[in-house]
Amino acid sequence: DQQVKQNSPSLSVQEGRISILNCDYTNSMFDYFLWYKKYPAEGPTFLISISSIKDKNEDGRFTVFLNKSAKHLSLHIVPSQPGDSAVYFCAIQRNSGYALNFGKGTSLLVTP
Amino acid sequence: NAGVTQTPKFRVLKTGQSMTLLCAQDMNHEYMYWYRQDPGMGLRLIHYSVGEGTTAKGEVPDGYNVSRLKKQNFLLGLESAAPSQTSVYFCASSYSGLNEQFFGPGTRLTVL
Repeated sequence: DQQVKQNSPSLSVQEGRISILNCDYTNSMFDYFLWYKKYPAEGPTFLISISSIKDKNEDGRFTVFLNKSAKHLSLHIVPSQPGDSAVYFCAIQRNSGYALNFGKGTSLLVTP
Repeated sequence: NAGVTQTPKFRVLKTGQSMTLLCAQDMNHEYMYWYRQDPGMGLRLIHYSVGEGTTAKGEVPDGYNVSRLKKQNFLLGLESAAPSQTSVYFCASSYSGLNEQFFGPGTRLTVL
């Protein structure tokens, strides 16, 4: 049973606009939430994270929002750039464990 | 500073053959992980290690063995490869169990 769901396999956005990637999780015991970015033929690279005690974390063009009551996580990229085109994975972790539970990923395409 | 490296990058095996995938990190991280990624799926944890000489099972450990004889290296072994083990394998490391994980570039394995 998948604990992390990214229901949009793909997303296309125009350059300069906002990209919003979504992630839902099923278990309220998770404490740490991360987004990874992956280019083809490369390993995932860490993008941004948020702990369960916060509802927002911002790093430059990237902002992650956490809605614990809805068990929902989102990543906002503003403004979107063509170099942001990649697969984005949501990952979640329990405070007491080591394993990251990954979603299936959303492929973002930013068009000029 | 190479980060996390994996060898080999590609490999084709016949059913029943064995092989070892090598992961090395130069960041002095305590924690190391092996994941596999299948088409349309997120990454799934195979085995992990919380320090030199220790290993533990992840979500999908069957058919794999691991060893962590040196802090900087984490080996993943397939004793008798099966077509179901055709996948891309990623190694990762982290400073602690709650920090972000740094990933290697992956090994693409095909079992015929």
